[in-house]
Amino acid sequence: AQSVTQLGSHVSVSEGALVLLRCNYSSSVPPYLFWYVQYPNQGLQLLLKYTTGATLVKGINGFEAEFKKSETSFHLTKPSAHMSDAAEYFCAVSAGPRSNDYKLSFGAGTTVTVRA
Amino acid sequence: DSGVTQTPKHLITATGQRVTLRCSPRSGDLSVYWYQQSLDQGLQFLIQYYNGEERAKGNILERFSAQQFPDLHSELNLSSLELGDSALYFCASSPRLAGGNEQFFGPGTRLTVL
Repeated sequence: AQSVTQLGSHVSVSEGALVLLRCNYSSSVPPYLFWYVQYPNQGLQLLLKYTTGATLVKGINGFEAEFKKSETSFHLTKPSAHMSDAAEYFCAVSAGPRSNDYKLSFGAGTTVTVRA
Repeated sequence: DSGVTQTPKHLITATGQRVTLRCSPRSGDLSVYWYQQSLDQGLQFLIQYYNGEERAKGNILERFSAQQFPDLHSELNLSSLELGDSALYFCASSPRLAGGNEQFFGPGTRLTVL
C-alpha cells in the first residue's frame, strides 16, 4: 500500500522568496511520485513526476523536486515565488514499475499564499 | 484545458436521490479514473476502468457504481444520496494503464446534497 504525508497544510511566502513544500511517502514497492497543483475551481494539473532515473526532477512553472529514497521524501521547491503560484498543491504516490496498481494516493494538500 | 470533460459542472439534489456524473476522457485515452474530493476525506480514489473493464476499486461505497462505455466515456452513478456525499468528483484519464504515466484531470463535478 502507498500513502503520502504532506507537512504543513498552509504555507505563506513573500513574492520572490523560496517555496518549499514537504512530502514524505510510504510505499511497500518502489514508487512513482507526483506533484499536482489545483487552482480555485479547477481540476488538478501535473507539475512534475518521478518515475525512474534522475532523482532531481524539473517540472513546469519553475518547480522542481528531489526524490530521496533514504529519507522517503519528495519535497517540492521553487527558487522564487510568483503571485500566480498561489494555489493548493498535492503530493501523490502510486505503486511503481513492479506493480499493476495504478491508482494515485494523495496527500492532504498544502495551500500556498503569496504575499506581495 | 486537460482535454477531459465532465458534466454537469454543478449538481444540487436532495437526500435519497440518484444522480449520474459523466466523463469524457482525452481522445485516445483508454483508462478512466474517478476520485472524490471532500473536506474531511481529501482526495480519494474511487474506481478505475480500462477499455471498458473495471480495473481497480478504491474507497467506493456500495451505493456508488460506474461503467465505461464502448466509446470510452464513463459514468459514475450515485444513489440513495446522503449529506456526506457532497463533494467534488473528478474524472481523470490516461493513455494506458498509467503506471508512471500522467493522469489528466477534468474540471470536476461539484455535488451538493441537501
